Amino acid sequence: GENVGLHLPTLSVQEGDNSIINCAYSNSASDYFIWYKQESGKGPQFIIDIRSNMDKRQGQRVTVLLNKTVKHLSLQIAATQPGDSAVYFCERAGSARQLTFGSGTQLTVLP
Amino acid sequence: DVKVTQSSRYLVKRTGEKVFLECVQDMDHENMFWYRQDPGLGLRLIYFSYDVKMKEKGDIPEGYSVSREKKERFSLILESASTNQTSMYLCASTLRGRGLLHEQYFGPGTRLTVT
Repeated sequence: GENVGLHLPTLSVQEGDNSIINCAYSNSASDYFIWYKQESGKGPQFIIDIRSNMDKRQGQRVTVLLNKTVKHLSLQIAATQPGDSAVYFCERAGSARQLTFGSGTQLTVLP
Repeated sequence: DVKVTQSSRYLVKRTGEKVFLECVQDMDHENMFWYRQDPGLGLRLIYFSYDVKMKEKGDIPEGYSVSREKKERFSLILESASTNQTSMYLCASTLRGRGLLHEQYFGPGTRLTVT
């Protein structure tokens, strides 16, 4: 079956540094990838998405890179701030029957 | 702003009780979902609905049922709660139809404890 996973369960970065959170997938038929941020006690919130016909997409302070050759997805956060502390996870979506989520990486921003 | 609300933030039930978790969205979304979230396992899809009175099983439907009588409301039912159903339950909705989905809007979650 589909495997969407994250390489590291936890990541600590210094405030102001860049963060990179990774996700791997196994199904090449994926159409669409989404990154979510989940703060403590809250539901996940959409951060950024990328379609499988793209390699890179940029938002405000965030960039998602998709490497289809190695089936790898990454989320880069520039100038990480304390408010970025949260669990981040990726979703692979192709249709309502093809939703798969990674288990999440806990990002901790150190002062 | 899309609002997805869930009836309870915290719930404690006894084994064997029937449990209802309610979810309401206010943006006329077609698709609604119920997930459970457990440490190390991520989000797992229990059931989803793409229209009123329509439902489809997700990856882990056993022990659960759902009801969608109105477009804005999607209920998750635990017919006879068991301790292994202790979890965080998340409801979500999306606007798109049955094809490629857009990002999901999640509710705040219900932390259910079954004793």
